Amino acid sequence: DTAVSQTPKYLVTQMGNDKSIKCEQNLGHDTMYWYKQDSKKFLKIMFSYNNKELIINETVPNRFSPKSPDKAHLNLHINSLELGDSAVYFCASSQKPGVGNTIYFGEGSWLTVV
Amino acid sequence: DQQVKQNSPSLSVQEGRISILNCDYTNSMFDYFLWYKKYPAEGPTFLISISSIKDKNEDGRFTVFLNKSAKHLSLHIVPSQPGDSAVYFCAATETGTASKLTFGTGTRLQVTL
Repeated sequence: DTAVSQTPKYLVTQMGNDKSIKCEQNLGHDTMYWYKQDSKKFLKIMFSYNNKELIINETVPNRFSPKSPDKAHLNLHINSLELGDSAVYFCASSQKPGVGNTIYFGEGSWLTVV
Repeated sequence: DQQVKQNSPSLSVQEGRISILNCDYTNSMFDYFLWYKKYPAEGPTFLISISSIKDKNEDGRFTVFLNKSAKHLSLHIVPSQPGDSAVYFCAATETGTASKLTFGTGTRLQVTL
């Protein structure tokens, strides 16, 4: 049973479209994250939610909107997709925020914008 | 501004030998460091961590060393096994930043027979 699962795993879409990536964790964790790995392999945090409240919001275009309907889910919606949005998006979770709480990652969602 | 750097994109080691992966950081506020391992088409998995109050942490075949004055850490794998072949990411964070990890770009380790 996958601890952090995200769907879809692969997504190819056209510029200008709106798409969502869903994430669910069954670990009972309070904190969830979205990370982005770009073409240069940099893995950078985008957002973090703790108990459904936004606690980290990096400099991300407002076309990206995370939504946390409950502690176990953190979805990522992207409006007006651009070529530069092509990347691997990783969802992750930890028991609590803060040092010492191991972060568990999902398998990634490969987004290609054409 | 790359605050965590892994200057070796790849490393090849023979099975049974020691693998040493290096990582440098520039932000002196970082006080907790982690290593993650990643196989192709999978997410990173946590391997080992170290707090800045220590200079060494060991877990089985994996040992992480931290040199705060040099802002340098390294991961030692002894003995290396073929299943260790993966990309290893160094990451750092600062107490109070809600687990905001800053990652290096990874080192691909190939363990050969």
